[in-house]
Amino acid sequence: QVTLKESGPVLVKPTETLTLTCTVSGFSLRTARMGVSWIRQPPGTALEWLAHIFSTDEKSYSTSLRSRLTVSKDTSRGQVVLSMTDMDHVDTATYYCARMDTATLTVDFWGQGTLVTVSS
Amino acid sequence: QSALTQPASVSGSPGQSITISCTGSSSDVGSYNLVSWYQQHPGKAPQLIIYEVTKRPSGVSYRFSGSKSGDTASLTISGLQTEDEADYYCCSYTGSRSPLVVFGGGTKLTVL
Repeated sequence: QVTLKESGPVLVKPTETLTLTCTVSGFSLRTARMGVSWIRQPPGTALEWLAHIFSTDEKSYSTSLRSRLTVSKDTSRGQVVLSMTDMDHVDTATYYCARMDTATLTVDFWGQGTLVTVSS
Repeated sequence: QSALTQPASVSGSPGQSITISCTGSSSDVGSYNLVSWYQQHPGKAPQLIIYEVTKRPSGVSYRFSGSKSGDTASLTISGLQTEDEADYYCCSYTGSRSPLVVFGGGTKLTVL
């Protein structure tokens, strides 16, 4: 049974760095074709893809947020970490981690999401 | 990479069929059969309903179908049911390793 679960702070201050952890089970981060994406959704608005880490450890980032994002993984612990620097109130959103089949570019399993609020 | 274009809202009555469009460009939707669709009910995580333009995952109702013509992909829901009321998002490969994919702006389906 594949599951993903996000964890991290619910509240961050402007200019701080957000660090979120995605803990996966039911599949290995080494499995070819399987990677993990981070996707966010501000309240009442659309999904926005942020970043992806492949099984090979190759990374891919949103063009508009590339300078602020870092994604990494600890394969032995089954964890993927997303860091986003210089947080602003417009970054308030539910952040999802999700498994992506990179052969079909399909997100087949999603975490429950975690709401992060940026406020002083 | 600009978001794919979807209508903000569509509506239909129970039993009817509706179609949601998703327009990209010749660089993404038009060049690859790597379009997926997701259904999201309020307060829930999205769920995959269509992948590779036309394929349905196991467990997804046959009432959901996908197609593509040129730079526009479409999701059709036939025999509308009240539980189909939700937000729907398309997603496409961008044609590049970075960024990898782009989502549409989402469509709110109301079942009248």
